Amino acid sequence: DAGVTQSPTHLIKTRGQHVTLRCSPISGHKSVSWYQQVLGQGPQFIFQYYEKEERGRGNFPDRFSARQFPNYSSELNVNALLLGDSALYLCASSLVSGPWNPQHFGDGTRLSIL
Amino acid sequence: AQKITQTQPGMFVQEKEAVTLDCTYDTSDPSYGLFWYKQPSSGEMIFLIYQGSYDQQNATEGRYSLNFQKARKSANLVISASQLGDSAMYFCAMREWPGNTGKLIFGQGTTLQVKP
Repeated sequence: DAGVTQSPTHLIKTRGQHVTLRCSPISGHKSVSWYQQVLGQGPQFIFQYYEKEERGRGNFPDRFSARQFPNYSSELNVNALLLGDSALYLCASSLVSGPWNPQHFGDGTRLSIL
Repeated sequence: AQKITQTQPGMFVQEKEAVTLDCTYDTSDPSYGLFWYKQPSSGEMIFLIYQGSYDQQNATEGRYSLNFQKARKSANLVISASQLGDSAMYFCAMREWPGNTGKLIFGQGTTLQVKP
């Protein structure tokens, strides 16, 4: 079975631009979460979607937005990019939204802002 | 506030030996889950093992076991018979049930290097 897939793998943008990152969850998984991982740190929670509804939002500015589609895939959008947005963006999926269900991560999208 | 602390930035272990990676957590909620993930240099986050707050026994998955001491709020990962492929960054993470946000709180991570 295919795992969580993310695209693109790498992306280079300049300050002020916007970016869209995509994620396809494991088949049958209805919950998708997004994380930002700055070099040398643990991932930070950005959003969680379950059944196409936002269930959680981390401490990120409104420049960050996301949505989940009927097929449970998801997009993360970031507007007005800043140098500090350079990071590895990880998508994770799980069967349901409960503490006992492990989240399975994709390989991530490495975003570099010039 | 919920928090995960990993106090070992880096660890070395000889191949075939066992190693313990420390993790302490802080939460006021009775229902939570604790997870360990492995992140190789390539970047993907690999799920290793899970322990629920109400589980009576320590979790085990192959060479991985979780030493869960609820009163001390610790959830240390034990890797037995280390292999060269175990060299990676290891993250401890926690997820609380109330709120149902799906939010995982991660520690700062521990870099493990296995020596041949």
